[in-house]
Amino acid sequence: DAGITQSPRHKVTETGTPVTLRCHQTENHRYMYWYRQDPGHGLRLIHYSYGVKDTDKGEVSDGYSVSRSKTEDFLLTLESATSSQTSVYFCAIRPGQGGNEQFFGPGTRLTVL
Amino acid sequence: QKEVEQNSGPLSVPEGAIASLNCTYSDRGSQSFFWYRQYSGKSPELIMSIYSNGDKEDGRFTAQLNKASQYVSLLIRDSQPSDSATYLCAVNSGGSNYKLTFGKGTLLTVNP
Repeated sequence: DAGITQSPRHKVTETGTPVTLRCHQTENHRYMYWYRQDPGHGLRLIHYSYGVKDTDKGEVSDGYSVSRSKTEDFLLTLESATSSQTSVYFCAIRPGQGGNEQFFGPGTRLTVL
Repeated sequence: QKEVEQNSGPLSVPEGAIASLNCTYSDRGSQSFFWYRQYSGKSPELIMSIYSNGDKEDGRFTAQLNKASQYVSLLIRDSQPSDSATYLCAVNSGGSNYKLTFGKGTLLTVNP
C-alpha cells in the first residue's frame, strides 16, 4: 500500500451525522488525492492536495470538505452524511519521482443508513 | 468533460491465452497513461505506465499507446487464473496537479 494507511477501514453511520476519514502517509509526498468508487461509475476524484493547506476540488466534491494541516495527513469530511455517499473511499499519493503514477491506500468502506 | 472509455466485459479467456484490454480517451492533450489491476474488495494496484507512442513490455504485460487514435491497450500473455480481476485504465491530461481520469474498468476472467 505504498506506506499509506486509511482509517477507519469500515464505518456505518446514520444520515445527517458528520464523518471524517483519515489518510496517512509516511513518505512526505506532496500530492494526495481522495477518490470514491461506486458500481457503474468507476473511480472519481473528490478532492486533492498539492501541499500543506493547499487543496482543490475534483469532479464530485459537493458534500465533502478536506483539510491538510500536516504533510502526512489528508482528511476527508462529510459534514452531514447522506445515503448517496455510501461508497468505498480511496486515498492515493503521487510520489512524483520521474512520473505521474499514483498509488492507492487500502480504502474505507462507508455505509450511510 | 474528459472521458475514458473501457469495455466493461466480462472478458473471458482460457488459461495460457492472450488477454487484450482496450481503452480510448477523449482528451487529445493527454500525456500519461496507466493500467491498474483491482481484485474484488481490494484497492487498485499499478501494473503499467506508458508515456510515449508504441509498446512497453514488463514481464507478461505489454502496454500499447497510439496517441493519434487516442487509444491505449494492455496485453496479458500466458494468462493465469490469478490475473482474474478488474483492469482500470487511467489517463493524465496534463496540468500541474497530475489528476487522473479513470475508466470504469474491464472485468477479466481467466478460466483454468
